[in-house]
Amino acid sequence: AQSVTQLGSHVSVSEGALVLLRCNYSSSVPPYLFWYVQYPNQGLQLLLKYTSAATLVKGINGFEAEFKKSETSFHLTKPSAHMSDAAEYFCAVSGGSNYKLTFGKGTLLTVNP
Amino acid sequence: NAGVMQNPRHLVRRRGQEARLRCSPMKGHSHVYWYRQLPEEGLKFMVYLQKENIIDESGMPKERFSAEFPKEGPSILRIQQVVRGDSAAYFCASSPPIWTDYNEKLFFGSGTQLSVL
Repeated sequence: AQSVTQLGSHVSVSEGALVLLRCNYSSSVPPYLFWYVQYPNQGLQLLLKYTSAATLVKGINGFEAEFKKSETSFHLTKPSAHMSDAAEYFCAVSGGSNYKLTFGKGTLLTVNP
Repeated sequence: NAGVMQNPRHLVRRRGQEARLRCSPMKGHSHVYWYRQLPEEGLKFMVYLQKENIIDESGMPKERFSAEFPKEGPSILRIQQVVRGDSAAYFCASSPPIWTDYNEKLFFGSGTQLSVL
């Protein structure tokens, strides 16, 4: 079985500041891990994914995430926040299925000017 | 190229009524997946359908919920005799028939928010 915990339902940063969104997972098998983003009135879009290759994964829009097995974490970072990054971010884990993802509750990111 | 389209965006029903949620997959996609996000929880898988076939319904509640994906037209998630606990956001995703990049071809709609009064 898999589960995901996203620490912080709401994160607020200033424009230009570091973005750090936390995700911890639990999985009974080697996990595949994902970050999705949902902009207002849009569907979820895949930001990046970890599938047992490099532990540091680069995604779209300057985001990256590092898989740390010892900490069971997959935190999402971006060095410098932009106003357009304001959205809800979801971490997800899959234990071997192409389509059966388990999502966290989501973190709403607010970017202040 | 239109994305995954879900309608309605918001649906209000009274207890005991039926709710029908529609999902039109992306052009060229023949696989549809439904997820549900209950308040204060993450999205959870419900069902996976291909045209005229249910492939995996392991996440569907045993009663009152059904899903179909007919040869023509959108996929429908149907909830009979709704109760307050059915209030949630229901997301649909679609994918092409074959893909090689693990999970990279799941495209999600913007969801239907169901409110049961």
